[in-house]
Amino acid sequence: LAKTTQPISMDSYEGQEVNITCSHNNIATNDYITWYQQFPSQGPRFIIQGYKTKVTNEVASLFIPADRKSSTLSLPRVSLSDTAVYYCLVYSSASKIIFGSGTRLSIRP
Amino acid sequence: EPEVTQTPSHQVTQMGQEVILRCVPISNHLYFYWYRQILGQKVEFLVSFYNNEISEKSEIFDDQFSVERPDGSNFTLKIRSTKLEDSAMYFCASSKIQDSNQPQHFGDGTRLSIL
Repeated sequence: LAKTTQPISMDSYEGQEVNITCSHNNIATNDYITWYQQFPSQGPRFIIQGYKTKVTNEVASLFIPADRKSSTLSLPRVSLSDTAVYYCLVYSSASKIIFGSGTRLSIRP
Repeated sequence: EPEVTQTPSHQVTQMGQEVILRCVPISNHLYFYWYRQILGQKVEFLVSFYNNEISEKSEIFDDQFSVERPDGSNFTLKIRSTKLEDSAMYFCASSKIQDSNQPQHFGDGTRLSIL
């Protein structure tokens, strides 16, 4: 399983765009990049997944450069409710997800 | 949007007792998982289950743990003789197929408290 590195914590303000970058230098050809969000006392919630270039949904965008050794989760115009832990995951088989410590995002008024 | 549902939301049990945690995966999903998260720590994989068999398990999933799909909708995790260190949030997840482009969908967990 490819190891990922992401910031331990980030702070931002309501209405700002937040970009969380994750590095995954050892990503394999079959690996997808998946981001989850977790609120306290809740299960991880799937946000977005991509293989290359850019993916956008109603919640976020995911930017993946050509070498796929990193990815950036972009949250447009964050609100207080976006305060959570965000996990970057890289894997080729869904049989087992290895969660890291994630990025603890704090949004201030 | 379909959800994974777990019951109970909170279970309090005496040490040494058996507990069964229940999950209803998303109806057209074929792969099922259990994870746990001790307070303040990472989410840890326990076991994956497909076609009525365990596909993979971690070293945490010892003989005290078992999983079962007793009918067409439920997926259960049993801990035979609970220990204090079993206190944690237990999350059930499911996915359509075991492939990287089919994300796992998680329930909101059962908080297990062992006294």
